[in-house]
Amino acid sequence: NAGVTQTPKFQVLKTGQSMTLQCAQDMNHEYMSWYRQDPGMGLRLIHYSVGAGITDQGEVPNGYNVSRSTTEDFPLRLLSAAPSQTSVYFCASSYGSDNTEAFFGQGTRLTVV
Amino acid sequence: GESVGLHLPTLSVQEGDNSIINCAYSNSASDYFIWYKQESGKGPQFIIDIRSNMDKRQGQRVTVLLNKTVKHLSLQIAATQPGDSAVYFCAEINGQNFVFGPGTRLSVLP
Repeated sequence: NAGVTQTPKFQVLKTGQSMTLQCAQDMNHEYMSWYRQDPGMGLRLIHYSVGAGITDQGEVPNGYNVSRSTTEDFPLRLLSAAPSQTSVYFCASSYGSDNTEAFFGQGTRLTVV
Repeated sequence: GESVGLHLPTLSVQEGDNSIINCAYSNSASDYFIWYKQESGKGPQFIIDIRSNMDKRQGQRVTVLLNKTVKHLSLQIAATQPGDSAVYFCAEINGQNFVFGPGTRLSVLP
């Protein structure tokens, strides 16, 4: 099993550009989520999904969109990138929302200039 | 607001010694508390969890203690090894989601 796969690993965007961060898992997990990690701070939840077709906002959803058309994929879209979105982004999945063992991807380091 | 945090941002220990990483939380309604380890350039990795109705749980070389009276969580690592060098996060399950603390960087000295 590959686990949770994120692409790309690194990305530089100009202010105003849009892009999609990809996340895929092959463990048939129902619950998937996106976090951002900034220096000196813990991971903050952006959006999450409890199953295909269902998404909801986390702590810091502004500027991001998600969709969950399949169980495997949970892409994160930046609509109009801003320097404040410079961060490391992690995708995670677990069997259920109350399952404590979440599996994380390797992360995407995004820089917005 | 409700949050999970850590007492110390960094911790240095000698190889072979025991490490204790602490965490304070404020949401007494959380059902589970979890410890994650994050090595440089990698995503967080699950270490151990503890249910709110427990005081202690042991894993391989790790022990988590939960003191609900003072809302304190700790992770003890026995015989710390160089491979234990990482950032350690405590987290709680709040509703459907994890709430992470800011992390403690553990450095293992030779």
